[in-house]
Amino acid sequence: DTGVSQNPRHKITKRGQNVTFRCDPISEHNRLYWYRQTLGQGPEFLTYFQNEAQLEKSRLLSDRFSAERPKGSFSTLEIQRTEQGDSAMYLCASSLRAATTEQYFGPGTRLTVT
Amino acid sequence: AQSVAQPEDQVNVAEGNPLTVKCTYSVSGNPYLFWYVQYPNRGLQFLLKYITGDNLVKGSYGFEAEFNKSQTSFHLKKPSALVSDSALYFCAVRDPSGGYQKVTFGTGTKLQVIP
Repeated sequence: DTGVSQNPRHKITKRGQNVTFRCDPISEHNRLYWYRQTLGQGPEFLTYFQNEAQLEKSRLLSDRFSAERPKGSFSTLEIQRTEQGDSAMYLCASSLRAATTEQYFGPGTRLTVT
Repeated sequence: AQSVAQPEDQVNVAEGNPLTVKCTYSVSGNPYLFWYVQYPNRGLQFLLKYITGDNLVKGSYGFEAEFNKSQTSFHLKKPSALVSDSALYFCAVRDPSGGYQKVTFGTGTKLQVIP
């Protein structure tokens, strides 16, 4: 068990460019979550997968955001036409199936849009 | 809708003294409650959770939390603070009655343990 990993750790991009982040969950976890965290705030829920199915999406997830988990293993989060307001830490977490279980977080990807 | 509030942005405590980090919640059903800790440049780490049963739950690193349904609170406590406990602490809630898996986090409380 190597924990949840995220790549890249840091991304600097110019406004209007597209970016893609990757998350590799703990191997036996079938639930995967994406959050966004800005300075002074707690993580804000973006979306959730159970295996390959995307079951919940936040209203925060505008049309410019898309997430996939094609084989129920790793996941990608893409932001199209980035805006300065997208600058944040993007966190990925995974958990076992039961709703009572805790989530295990990756180190995050820090996005800076210039 | 579910929500959680952490009324203190920062808590300062002397090393060796007991510490309390406050959390209150709002849900329509029976809550699942969690505490996480975030160290600088690291991801959130799970500390403890309340699902059902005994109102006092024990977790990692000597932390414990008390669930109080009448006060809708889930305060984090530790009998004797260590300098290494200095970090950002987040309370989180999930309301399973709505059928959703979304977890709502508080805004965090920075704990500063003074040597």
